[in-house]
Amino acid sequence: DAGVTQSPTHLIKTRGQHVTLRCSPISGHKSVSWYQQVLGQGPQFIFQYYEKEERGRGNFPDRFSARQFPNYSSELNVNALLLGDSALYLCASSLIPGTGGSNQPQHFGDGTRLSIL
Amino acid sequence: TQLLEQSPQFLSIQEGENLTVYCNSSSVFSSLQWYRQEPGEGPVLLVTVVTGGEVKKLKRLTFQFGDARKDSSLHITAAQPGDTGLYLCAGARSGYALNFGKGTSLLVTP
Repeated sequence: DAGVTQSPTHLIKTRGQHVTLRCSPISGHKSVSWYQQVLGQGPQFIFQYYEKEERGRGNFPDRFSARQFPNYSSELNVNALLLGDSALYLCASSLIPGTGGSNQPQHFGDGTRLSIL
Repeated sequence: TQLLEQSPQFLSIQEGENLTVYCNSSSVFSSLQWYRQEPGEGPVLLVTVVTGGEVKKLKRLTFQFGDARKDSSLHITAAQPGDTGLYLCAGARSGYALNFGKGTSLLVTP
């Protein structure tokens, strides 16, 4: 079975541009979460979506937005890119929304490595 | 603000040695998860602990959740080169966010 797939795997942008990252959850999973992992740090929560609705949002500026489609795939959009947005962006899926308790394990994709020049 | 503090930050040991990684917080968590992440890949879930004092074993890995559900430890017995990677702990509170520590980077040399 396919795991969580993210595209593209790598991306290079310049300051001020915008970017769209894509995520396809594991088949049957209805919840998708996005995390940002800066080099040397643990992942930081950005958003969680379930049934096309935002269920949670982390401490990120309004330049970050996301949406979930009827097929449960998701996009993360970042506008007006800054150098500090350079990071690995991870998508995680789970059957139902939540924080990954014993009955809600979150499965991560391999991420999109975004570099801002 | 980092809710979870992991120690040590880096660890380099030889094959066959034992090690313990710690994950500490002043906050109470409803559950705590341990992940391993290898370069170029996403985190892979190793275990979830839910009950204070809970101990779970996964082959040579032993995970413990503190009685007060504020801390956790990961003990590896007879480490192997295949154990090399970044070990992340992540705590769940209310809401939908997993709160990750900065991770412990482990290198096991033959």
